[in-house]
Amino acid sequence: EDQVTQSPEALRLQEGESSSLNCSYTVSGLRGLFWYRQDPGKGPEFLFTLYSAGEEKEKERLKATLTKKESFLHITAPKPEDSATYLCAFRSGTYKYIFGTGTRLKVLA
Amino acid sequence: NAGVTQTPKFRVLKTGQSMTLLCAQDMNHEYMYWYRQDPGMGLRLIHYSVGEGTTAKGEVPDGYNVSRLKKQNFLLGLESAAPSQTSVYFCASRLDGSGANVLTFGAGSRLTVL
Repeated sequence: EDQVTQSPEALRLQEGESSSLNCSYTVSGLRGLFWYRQDPGKGPEFLFTLYSAGEEKEKERLKATLTKKESFLHITAPKPEDSATYLCAFRSGTYKYIFGTGTRLKVLA
Repeated sequence: NAGVTQTPKFRVLKTGQSMTLLCAQDMNHEYMYWYRQDPGMGLRLIHYSVGEGTTAKGEVPDGYNVSRLKKQNFLLGLESAAPSQTSVYFCASRLDGSGANVLTFGAGSRLTVL
């Protein structure tokens, strides 16, 4: 069965304290691993798509990486404005997407 | 360019009442989706559509109906609301094509059923 697990559920960091969020998945035939950011009261906002093991993508303080079983979202020197829930998802088949439950990140000034 | 627009943003219903959530996108996307988001459960797919006039069931379709009469609109209906349908509902859309995988989400509709 296709499934995705995110850890930790919640993470509190001091400003400037780098860390990583984990997304573990099992899928028969990965067609894309996605990272989204979700702010309270808003819809998920797209960050990255990764397609194959070894692929990496960066945007400001965020870097996403992909292996055959996991994806990591590395946050370097985070700022309070990076506080949000980060969701990972993968595409299952032609139309469907499977989402994790997210990691709630709080960055303290 | 508004992207994906959901109406209403908030609604309170009594058990047994009916209502319709509207999703409109102005990006000419073929695929549209309705998800619900509940604490600790992530986003779960209710129904989806791969084009005008088509609909299909997702993971949690019971108690909901959908229609896609126009390409830009995807309606989610609750015929007889139940407290278990209290949730935040998100609409999403994407282009057709093998490389067009990214879902664009609306801002959400928060529904409370008393």
